[in-house]
Amino acid sequence: AQSVTQPDIHITVSEGASLELRCNYSYGATPYLFWYVQSPGQGLQLLLKYFSGDTLVQGIKGFEAEFKRSQSSFNLRKPSVHWSDAAEYFCAVGASGNQFYFGTGTSLTVIP
Amino acid sequence: SAVISQKPSRDICQRGTSLTIQCQVDSQVTMMFWYRQQPGQSLTLIATANQGSEATYESGFVIDKFPISRPNLTFSTLTVSNMSPEDSSIYLCSVARTTNTEAFFGQGTRLTVV
Repeated sequence: AQSVTQPDIHITVSEGASLELRCNYSYGATPYLFWYVQSPGQGLQLLLKYFSGDTLVQGIKGFEAEFKRSQSSFNLRKPSVHWSDAAEYFCAVGASGNQFYFGTGTSLTVIP
Repeated sequence: SAVISQKPSRDICQRGTSLTIQCQVDSQVTMMFWYRQQPGQSLTLIATANQGSEATYESGFVIDKFPISRPNLTFSTLTVSNMSPEDSSIYLCSVARTTNTEAFFGQGTRLTVV
């Protein structure tokens, strides 16, 4: 069965520090992988996506993610976090028919 | 991308009543979905809204409780029927232009049932 695991429920980083959010997935075929961000009271905004090709994908707001098939992972990274990055981050796997499976989310707090 | 307008943005409803949520997209899309996000939880797919036919519901969700309409390729509604406090959640409309592409989300409807 398809599933997405985000092991870190909550992460706190200092502004300017680097960030890595973990995501592991279980899917029987080649996955479509996504990271979304949700600010308080808002919907989800797409940060980046992986369909095929280069396993390192660049997204908006300076985020990148690396697909590692051998580890079934799609971790999100940012070299220098800004206070405005504080939000909830969701990893998702896209299955056939555009059905999405979401992780439970990682809440990011940025301290000055 | 797609611009999605979801109404209402929030509501407080009495138990036993029903609420209809609207989702309007700025252009035609193939796929439209409805998700529920319970407090502090991730997103759970309720159903896929099919244009011109009955919605496809996920396990645990039924048409009598969550009737869905999709009269055309840019509009859908979700009704939460006979509400109870357990229905208090954020309900999100999502669209995808074609199959196997990224999904875009509306701002959500924050529903509180008292």
